[in-house]
Amino acid sequence: DADVTQTPRNRITKTGKRIMLECSQTKGHDRMYWYRQDPGLGLRLIYYSFDVKDINKGEISDGYSVSRQAQAKFSLSLESAIPNQTALYFCATSGGPSYNEQFFGPGTRLTVL
Amino acid sequence: GESVGLHLPTLSVQEGDNSIINCAYSNSASDYFIWYKQESGKGPQFIIDIRSNMDKRQGQRVTVLLNKTVKHLSLQIAATQPGDSAVYFCAESPYGNNRLAFGKGNQVVVIP
Repeated sequence: DADVTQTPRNRITKTGKRIMLECSQTKGHDRMYWYRQDPGLGLRLIYYSFDVKDINKGEISDGYSVSRQAQAKFSLSLESAIPNQTALYFCATSGGPSYNEQFFGPGTRLTVL
Repeated sequence: GESVGLHLPTLSVQEGDNSIINCAYSNSASDYFIWYKQESGKGPQFIIDIRSNMDKRQGQRVTVLLNKTVKHLSLQIAATQPGDSAVYFCAESPYGNNRLAFGKGNQVVVIP
């Protein structure tokens, strides 16, 4: 969905490096989410935010941190990347009348060597 | 890179046939359910949703059925087309606050 953008789309990094993944949305939604996707495991929630001052841990927050810089921006950081953080990462947003429906970005493929 | 469809249950369907994808959900308190489609290299896209006060909902070529007694959700795709080849995820909302819990997904392969 072009309304939710993620940068970078692909990233290869080394163990121990700090990495930031960025998400921006033009949908005007107040709620934003970060998920990781691994083959055969579906989508697992890392962190979510219901407004600029609200940050909540999801299922698998260890090793990650987030920052909600503005309503439209939600970034995910890996403070010290490790190989088992190699995955697809998706940002999503929700809000408005259909507040349960989440709209996903195109994903970031992260490889940690 | 490795496909997200790897290791998933796979349904192979002849083009033009109907497809049925099943999902067992875990929480009897869930009040909202949603199906997403994920094509290779893309993020999940909304297909159809249903609230727990309904047992059936129809969209364009898709129907979702909800059986709360056995905690089962299904997605029916009519006249399956090659563009329907994708991984399909069900999700439930057991938390009452917009958080979704996703299933592991089902791969659908349409044979021309």
